Amino acid sequence: RKEVEQDPGPFNVPEGATVAFNCTYSNSASQSFFWYRQDCRKEPKLLMSVYSSGNEDGRFTAQLNRASQYISLLIRDSKLSDSATYLCVVPTGKLIFGQGTTLQVKP
Amino acid sequence: NAGVMQNPRHLVRRRGQEARLRCSPMKGHSHVYWYRQLPEEGLKFMVYLQKENIIDESGMPKERFSAEFPKEGPSILRIQQVVRGDSAAYFCASSPQASGYLSNTGELFFGEGSRLTVL
Repeated sequence: RKEVEQDPGPFNVPEGATVAFNCTYSNSASQSFFWYRQDCRKEPKLLMSVYSSGNEDGRFTAQLNRASQYISLLIRDSKLSDSATYLCVVPTGKLIFGQGTTLQVKP
Repeated sequence: NAGVMQNPRHLVRRRGQEARLRCSPMKGHSHVYWYRQLPEEGLKFMVYLQKENIIDESGMPKERFSAEFPKEGPSILRIQQVVRGDSAAYFCASSPQASGYLSNTGELFFGEGSRLTVL
């Protein structure tokens, strides 16, 4: 099993839609997790941290399921500006990045 | 308000030449990480350095690649005798503490990347 796995997509959704991404990880010892956002050919930027209780920031909700070893990112009321690649990040000593899930929000 | 500065932003080399990529971390940051991103792939960890020390180089290819972070000056990723497969975006990130390593904060500040093309 890969250390971090994501469905690469792309996810094509209309504006206003709700979309969810999952990410599975193999290291059960990891305590905290992160979602980064990467716009086309740009540098990644931290979007949200995910701890045991989950995290919500406006339209974005991140949750952790330790039993099944996955984390999720939910985006409500999608905007055109949400179009990007979303990277799941798991600390295993160093930060391991998933390959990313691409979201394309259409008008 | 300088962020992480990488140069060159674009570098073209012929097979067999050397590539040197530089990274100046954010002010006050003493931890530097290098990642490589191949086309259509995710970021792959290469190396983690603190000033004058290599902490973890488990992601570095055993040959041709080296990294340093001297007491003075930027961190440098050096690729000798480049091959076409080295063509990629190389991202440097920095943090004030070891937040990208053995820590729960997980926030790295990335530079805009150096895009290496090997002809």
